Amino acid sequence: AQSVAQPEDQVNVAEGNPLTVKCTYSVSGNPYLFWYVQYPNRGLQFLLKYITGDNLVKGSYGFEAEFNKSQTSFHLKKPSALVSDSALYFCAVRDIRWGKLQFGAGTQVVVTP
Amino acid sequence: NAGVTQTPKFQVLKTGQSMTLQCAQDMNHEYMSWYRQDPGMGLRLIHYSVGAGITDQGEVPNGYNVSRSTTEDFPLRLLSAAPSQTSVYFCASSYLTGVQETQYFGPGTRLLVL
Repeated sequence: AQSVAQPEDQVNVAEGNPLTVKCTYSVSGNPYLFWYVQYPNRGLQFLLKYITGDNLVKGSYGFEAEFNKSQTSFHLKKPSALVSDSALYFCAVRDIRWGKLQFGAGTQVVVTP
Repeated sequence: NAGVTQTPKFQVLKTGQSMTLQCAQDMNHEYMSWYRQDPGMGLRLIHYSVGAGITDQGEVPNGYNVSRSTTEDFPLRLLSAAPSQTSVYFCASSYLTGVQETQYFGPGTRLLVL
């Protein structure tokens, strides 16, 4: 069975500093990995995905994620965080048959001025 | 395109009442799904559909029914609401042409069961 873990409930970072949100996964075959962001009282918005190819994936709003097969990780990164990046971030892995998404529990990012 | 729309945005129910959460998409997506979001638990799949007339259970289907009579609509029915169903509900849709297709989420319905 597939699973996704986000080990940190909350990440605090000062504006301008690098931001990393961690995600590890477990799947039986090739992983299809996603990051979504949720702003307060809003639905989820797609940030980026890894299907195949380059291990470094670039996405929306200056975010990128690094796929590491040996460590089964897909950490989300941003070189310089903004206060507006404060939100709830979800990592997800997709079931290969029917497109079901398995979500992690989410990581709250707080960026302070 | 309006994308994925959900109604209502907020609803209060009494225990035992029934209601239907509406979801519609105008992107001609084959795949549609319902999730519930609870603090510290991420999003959990309730039911999903891979096309009109085809539905299946997800991770937490008990207490919920779905049907898919058209490609565009995928309503979620609560037959007899319970306080444990207090949650935020999200509908999502995507193409089925490949597992890499992105899911698009609606804005959510916040449900409170008293």
